[in-house]
Amino acid sequence: AAGVIQSPRHLIKEKRETATLKCYPIPRHDTVYWYQQGPGQDPQFLISFYEKMQSDKGSIPDRFSAQQFSDYHSELNMSSLELGDSALYFCASNMGRVETQYFGPGTRLLVL
Amino acid sequence: QKEVEQNSGPLSVPEGAIASLNCTYSDRGSQSFFWYRQYSGKSPELIMSIYSNGDKEDGRFTAQLNKASQYVSLLIRDSQPSDSATYLCAVKTSRGSTLGRLYFGRGTQLTVWP
Repeated sequence: AAGVIQSPRHLIKEKRETATLKCYPIPRHDTVYWYQQGPGQDPQFLISFYEKMQSDKGSIPDRFSAQQFSDYHSELNMSSLELGDSALYFCASNMGRVETQYFGPGTRLLVL
Repeated sequence: QKEVEQNSGPLSVPEGAIASLNCTYSDRGSQSFFWYRQYSGKSPELIMSIYSNGDKEDGRFTAQLNKASQYVSLLIRDSQPSDSATYLCAVKTSRGSTLGRLYFGRGTQLTVWP
């Protein structure tokens, strides 16, 4: 079965640089969620999109922005990167916001 | 107070034993509850979902939900070394503005030794 696809899988950036993370949901899934998981931490919700509109916003810094495109893929744009942004970033998808969320493999971001 | 609290562990059981993982949540109106398994550096993998009071069994896994006590548990029977991972309890709250997002507990690290 098709799963959530995330790219890149690993990313190394310098402080103050920008990064773009991409997420391709499971086919026919219309809702995308972004989570951030720091070392030894539980995943923290950042933002979600339903039918290409932002549906919920969590603890996402103002330096980050995201959107969902017409093909339902989503991109998380991160600017002015800080050391504390180093984490695993997961994308999850489901259908209609009420079903189980399925997680992608994650993007490991390291900010030096 | 975190939305979701888990017994911190770590939990260590011998192969073949029953592992019991517990979770409490604060939003009484929550309707959807999930257990995810996460290996180090990997993404959370859904183990069980439960929506109604009582038990739900799937193979060696049994999820238990008690909404009155705001308590969710996961039992793993006949534990195997491959079950060694961090188990995350996740809750989807009922609040309209946050409908859909998952709140996670800090996870319980389970080790099953041969």
